[in-house]
Amino acid sequence: NAGVTQTPKFQVLKTGQSMTLQCAQDMNHEYMSWYRQDPGMGLRLIHYSVGAGITDQGEVPNGYNVSRSTTEDFPLRLLSAAPSQTSVYFCASSYDPGTSGSSVQETQYFGPGTRLLVL
Amino acid sequence: AQKITQTQPGMFVQEKEAVTLDCTYDTSDPSYGLFWYKQPSSGEMIFLIYQGSYDQQNATEGRYSLNFQKARKSANLVISASQLGDSAMYFCAMRELRGGGADGLTFGKGTHLIIQP
Repeated sequence: NAGVTQTPKFQVLKTGQSMTLQCAQDMNHEYMSWYRQDPGMGLRLIHYSVGAGITDQGEVPNGYNVSRSTTEDFPLRLLSAAPSQTSVYFCASSYDPGTSGSSVQETQYFGPGTRLLVL
Repeated sequence: AQKITQTQPGMFVQEKEAVTLDCTYDTSDPSYGLFWYKQPSSGEMIFLIYQGSYDQQNATEGRYSLNFQKARKSANLVISASQLGDSAMYFCAMRELRGGGADGLTFGKGTHLIIQP
């Protein structure tokens, strides 16, 4: 199993450019999510998906778009990049979260991250 | 109000000593999960340990244990016999299961742990 993979590892954009960060998982996880990590801020949820065709906003969704056409893939689109979007982006996945209180169900596994610099 | 509070921005510990990393949380949801992740300098997020709110016993995973005090809303990570490779950022996180847990994880700001030889 490759787990959660992300591409690219590093990207430099100019203000106003658009791009897509790729995320894929091979663990048959229903739940996938995107976080951004900024210095001193911990990780914050951007968007998430509970299954193919279903997405919703997290804490900091502005300027980002997502879609989920397959169970495996969950791309994150930056529509018009801004310097404030300079950050490290992590994709994560887990089994369908519920009320099981089970480590297997609840634990989110993270990809290696994409470091994005917007000039 | 912060949902996850880690009060130790940085810690220096001698190799082979035990380490306790503090985490307090705030939720009104009776069903929740608490997690600790390790982030070494290479940047990846590594899952360490999980504690469910209904678990009667403290979780343990090898050298890691979680000191769960539900009434005090604290979930401290204990690392026994620390090693140089334990040097990293450590994040406490919570997943509230109200609404099916779909809102993902809420993270603290992390503790930078440095193990000294």
